Amino acid sequence: QQPVQSPQAVILREGEDAVINCSSSKALYSVHWYRQKHGEAPVFLMILLKGGEQKGHEKISASFNEKKQQSSLYLTASQLSYSGTYFCGHLEQGGKLIFGQGTELSVKP
Amino acid sequence: GAVVSQHPSWVICKSGTSVKIECRSLDFQATTMFWYRQFPKQSLMLMATSNEGSKATYEQGVEKDKFLINHASLTLSTLTVTSAHPEDSSFYICSWLLQETQYFGPGTRLLVL
Repeated sequence: QQPVQSPQAVILREGEDAVINCSSSKALYSVHWYRQKHGEAPVFLMILLKGGEQKGHEKISASFNEKKQQSSLYLTASQLSYSGTYFCGHLEQGGKLIFGQGTELSVKP
Repeated sequence: GAVVSQHPSWVICKSGTSVKIECRSLDFQATTMFWYRQFPKQSLMLMATSNEGSKATYEQGVEKDKFLINHASLTLSTLTVTSAHPEDSSFYICSWLLQETQYFGPGTRLLVL
């Protein structure tokens, strides 16, 4: 079952903040976050392995609430380079990664 | 580290021909790799999981005789789209599993005329 992401799309001005949410109907043991620029392959951002874990990557951070089966990606002081489609995903047996439907982020000057 | 290459990056072919896409891990070795397909404005859809030395496991709805996977080594896998049709036009992306993280290739855009 595919994780559900919200919002589907968001438009920001440079310097603004955004939150992308990811929820699953099944138990999660890890959450992966990727960013994909138009016409390119997804780039790994981070993996969260423990319930309640938070991680940071530049000004992009994420939290994972294992009990609620939810993860959130936080983008602070957004830059133009943050534009792209963000996917969350969870690992299934055998290492299969099931992606959410994606959140398209556009950062305008 | 964890660099993956795909070749070709672009391919245009006539309907009915076969196309081979190559996926290599350049600076690491891994047993498990994946092939995805992505249509415009959509998420990545897993096509198959491949472990070196074993037959690939295809997702429901993906024809194994149409999408042939040859996992030749711990660094090379190929996907052959046989008798391609216009509906097979898509963005094909491979990934390798390394320490619970998937590393993606740059993708191959296939256009079938």
